[in-house]
Amino acid sequence: DAKTTQPPSMDCAEGRAANLPCNHSTISGNEYVYWYRQIHSQGPQYIIHGLKNNETNEMASLIITEDRKSSTLILPHATLRDTAVYYCIVRRIMEYGNKLVFGAGTILRVKS
Amino acid sequence: GAVVSQHPSWVICKSGTSVKIECRSLDFQATTMFWYRQFPKQSLMLMATSNEGSKATYEQGVEKDKFLINHASLTLSTLTVTSAHPEDSSFYICSAATQGAGSYGYTFGSGTRLTVV
Repeated sequence: DAKTTQPPSMDCAEGRAANLPCNHSTISGNEYVYWYRQIHSQGPQYIIHGLKNNETNEMASLIITEDRKSSTLILPHATLRDTAVYYCIVRRIMEYGNKLVFGAGTILRVKS
Repeated sequence: GAVVSQHPSWVICKSGTSVKIECRSLDFQATTMFWYRQFPKQSLMLMATSNEGSKATYEQGVEKDKFLINHASLTLSTLTVTSAHPEDSSFYICSAATQGAGSYGYTFGSGTRLTVV
């Protein structure tokens, strides 16, 4: 699976949009971009995933560049509860049971 | 949605004893489960892939005789830390693979904090 690069940390003001970038320049055509987050001392939580089109759900939006070499996770109105480590992972989706490997992630601190 | 229950949420044990951690898929069957370990301020490190009815596949550097994994049913996988030592103190997290086209693929337990004294 392709590797990803994320900034180690970011700050965001409460109520503002949090934009978390991810670089995956070696992504291949059958690989999806997944985002998970981990709030302190909890298991990771799924946020969103996408292949090449932009995606939106109740938690966030995922913007993937046309060349698919990078993406941005957008939390439209960040709250203090969104403070967490955010992981961007690239992997194939259609192979059941493929392992999920985590990188270092981005620590997002939402401040009041 | 898919729910994974992990038990216990925390445990303290004496050095040299063994500790068992359970991971259950509550509302779905999980042929494949995964075990991770996480040290403070570090990312999750995959330890092993657990497949129902067969031997687990361990990642490089993980001692299979120390971290015993059993996946005897489609809803339960267990991780036993044998002869635990203080350096085994960590946060252990399990995950179950979910099936279906379009599925996001994984659901995680809430983790087990192991402290070996």
